[in-house]
Amino acid sequence: NAGVTQTPKFRVLKTGQSMTLLCAQDMNHEYMYWYRQDPGMGLRLIHYSVGEGTTAKGEVPDGYNVSRLKKQNFLLGLESAAPSQTSVYFCASSSSAIRTYEQYFGPGTRLTVT
Amino acid sequence: RKEVEQDPGPFNVPEGATVAFNCTYSNSASQSFFWYRQDCRKEPKLLMSVYSSGNEDGRFTAQLNRASQYISLLIRDSKLSDSATYLCVVNLRGSTLGRLYFGRGTQLTVWP
Repeated sequence: NAGVTQTPKFRVLKTGQSMTLLCAQDMNHEYMYWYRQDPGMGLRLIHYSVGEGTTAKGEVPDGYNVSRLKKQNFLLGLESAAPSQTSVYFCASSSSAIRTYEQYFGPGTRLTVT
Repeated sequence: RKEVEQDPGPFNVPEGATVAFNCTYSNSASQSFFWYRQDCRKEPKLLMSVYSSGNEDGRFTAQLNRASQYISLLIRDSKLSDSATYLCVVNLRGSTLGRLYFGRGTQLTVWP
């Protein structure tokens, strides 16, 4: 049982390049989330999904797109990376069966945009 | 106004000390409450849920005061391994399903 995994762990991009971050969970959770964490800012929600085929915007969605084609996977895309997107990205999942909705996080992806 | 506010610290305490963190939340409709722990350069991990009657897990005690809208975490007999950032987290009743609101965290350093 791996929990939540993220690929890649580290990445350096040049401004304007694109990339996709992959999140996978093996806990059969319905809900999945993408956050970014910057110094002094705390965790900010980018996009989330409440089920396969559904996505919605969070607090800071601009510059990102997401897809949830399979229940276990949640992809975060950067179409044209900007230095402001340098951050640590965390994926999380939670279950609707747990009414308190506690979330379980992946190990993070450290992205630098130069 | 942020949904969850925490004193960022840092708190620097010697081993064996007792330390307490508080956090306040703005929405009275908040339903679920948690403390998460985040080690340096690691992901947040659930430390404990916070129940209305208060709850204890070993050296850790969490309290909820709904009337004043604050949550507390007490750590007794601090260990070096308790050094981390502690995140206060709430879920709003009726909010977007499963969405949690995170405080910015309180940094704790325990020194020998």
